Amino acid sequence: AQSVTQPDIHITVSEGASLELRCNYSYGATPYLFWYVQSPGQGLQLLLKYFSGDTLVQGIKGFEAEFKRSQSSFNLRKPSVHWSDAAEYFCAVGADYGQNFVFGPGTRLSVLP
Amino acid sequence: DGGITQSPKYLFRKEGQNVTLSCEQNLNHDAMYWYRQDPGQGLRLIYYSQIVNDFQKGDIAEGYSVSREKKESFPLTVTSAQKNPTAFYLCASTSRLNTEAFFGQGTRLTVV
Repeated sequence: AQSVTQPDIHITVSEGASLELRCNYSYGATPYLFWYVQSPGQGLQLLLKYFSGDTLVQGIKGFEAEFKRSQSSFNLRKPSVHWSDAAEYFCAVGADYGQNFVFGPGTRLSVLP
Repeated sequence: DGGITQSPKYLFRKEGQNVTLSCEQNLNHDAMYWYRQDPGQGLRLIYYSQIVNDFQKGDIAEGYSVSREKKESFPLTVTSAQKNPTAFYLCASTSRLNTEAFFGQGTRLTVV
């Protein structure tokens, strides 16, 4: 069965600092991998996705993620965090069309001025 | 604009009452999903539907029911059998061509 872990429940960084959010997954084949962001009381917005090909993927809002098959990881990075990046971030793994998405528990990001 | 609309945004119900949450999409997506979100637990799948008139139970289907009579609509009923219904509910959809999930803005249900 698929599973996703996000080891960090809460991360605090200063504005302008770099950011890395960790995601590890368990899946039998090459998965579809996603990062979503959620502001309080809102739905989820897709930041980026990996299906195949180049293991470094670029997303919206200056985010990028790197797929490392050997480590079963898909960590999210941003070189310089903005105060508006404060939100909850979810890593997810999906299989074929119409199948279940499995989400990690989320990492809450706080940004200090 | 295409998207997913969930209504209402906030819903209050008395314990023991059934309540139905609405989810409508105009993205022409075939698959639709309902998730429940509780603090610190991420998203848990309640039900999903790949085509009209067909749906499957997710991980936490007990106490919930759904229907899929139209491609655009996937309403969720929270029944009185659901022991702890207070939560944030999210609806999502995907297409055959693009596996990413599009989400609605959610409905916060509070049972008192």
